[in-house]
Amino acid sequence: DTEVTQTPKHLVMGMTNKKSLKCEQHMGHRAMYWYKQKAKKPPELMFVYSYEKLSINESVPSRFSPECPNSSLLNLHLHALQPEDSALYLCASSQEPRGFSSYNEQFFGPGTRLTVL
Amino acid sequence: AQSVAQPEDQVNVAEGNPLTVKCTYSVSGNPYLFWYVQYPNRGLQFLLKYITGDNLVKGSYGFEAEFNKSQTSFHLKKPSALVSDSALYFCAVRDNKNTDKLIFGTGTRLQVFP
Repeated sequence: DTEVTQTPKHLVMGMTNKKSLKCEQHMGHRAMYWYKQKAKKPPELMFVYSYEKLSINESVPSRFSPECPNSSLLNLHLHALQPEDSALYLCASSQEPRGFSSYNEQFFGPGTRLTVL
Repeated sequence: AQSVAQPEDQVNVAEGNPLTVKCTYSVSGNPYLFWYVQYPNRGLQFLLKYITGDNLVKGSYGFEAEFNKSQTSFHLKKPSALVSDSALYFCAVRDNKNTDKLIFGTGTRLQVFP
């Protein structure tokens, strides 16, 4: 299995809703990432997990809450989002986190298209 | 500051012709460089990377990239373009101050015409 899967593919939510995005990989990768991507722009890093521990939070608002229950799973919990949070949310994984073979390429999932009304 | 520049927003090429998508970088220390491709409403797909060694790197789908240290460039090339190569291409460099991070360029849209 050489892919990163993300669910759901599309999500529409109101500003008062609570929802979660899910990401899964079975490649044995120990680093996992959340990115936000606006149309025709490069991905913006949000969070990095290394060996199931949060290693980077790019000053993301607390209405986004990441969780890494195990080495294969990464969740992003959403609460009280704003319309400007509408974007494509991408999950990625790579073989080893920093300090090791940290030039390993990242494998991206297909993304969740989020619309906040 | 570490950065990646993709000077062209869009590159147009006829099918069968060679294509080049440009990328220049600025990093402290050794550069670790990557190319990714993104098709509409999809995630990014890894094409190739330069870590060390041979300046000409071969990757997926017939793409290759040439690393030029003196010009701090890492241009993506393909000898014969296909219509199906039409997509958004991102160059990226590893952030050597925070090695978990990739610094992406702004992207170049490649349009291959039949």
